[in-house]
Amino acid sequence: QQQVKQSPQSLIVQKGGISIINCAYENTAFDYFPWYQQFPGKGPALLIAIRPDVSEKKEGRFTISFNKSAKQFSLHIMDSQPGDSATYFCAATMNYGGSQGNLIFGKGTKLSVKP
Amino acid sequence: GAVVSQHPSRVICKSGTSVKIECRSLDFQATTMFWYRQFPKQSLMLMATSNEGSKATYEQGVEKDKFLINHASLTLSTLTVTSAHPEDSSFYICSASWRGLQFFGPGTRLTVL
Repeated sequence: QQQVKQSPQSLIVQKGGISIINCAYENTAFDYFPWYQQFPGKGPALLIAIRPDVSEKKEGRFTISFNKSAKQFSLHIMDSQPGDSATYFCAATMNYGGSQGNLIFGKGTKLSVKP
Repeated sequence: GAVVSQHPSRVICKSGTSVKIECRSLDFQATTMFWYRQFPKQSLMLMATSNEGSKATYEQGVEKDKFLINHASLTLSTLTVTSAHPEDSSFYICSASWRGLQFFGPGTRLTVL
């Protein structure tokens, strides 16, 4: 019940295309869902995050879609660029009034954007 | 803002020696820091949660006597890998909690010969 399932494991997209990564969870106590971007040899960087009281959040080319009833959320990268090539991790946690609980990570998606 | 640093970025040591990795929050105070381990092409595995001024909470299967964690101040946590062996070679990443978010350090690549 603590798992976050992420798919696909790898994704190849042409430059300018849309990259879509999906995640699903079971624990309805999760109330904060961040996405992290990680380049080889670097630590993960927070990309965008959403709370379950909204169905969509957009920041630039990155959009999270959240389906509370289905317990699913997805990351959409519009106009994908070669510089977006990285591994993306979805995560979930229970965020208690500013003191964040442990992050439960998905297994990651390696995105390659071809020029 | 919310920058986390780690030192060293890379370390190579001989089997049987101990290695200390530092994690610092540079522009904020973090009451909670986390230590992760990441194997190649895999996700992050939480090792322990470190709270300032108290003992770390270790995840199941993580040897607390082997991976010593100290969180002596609101901006510094250290991970010491004691009596390192080749199987301890990995990428170690820390994160610090601030305003409900976790910010990650750049990671430390440990190679044990």
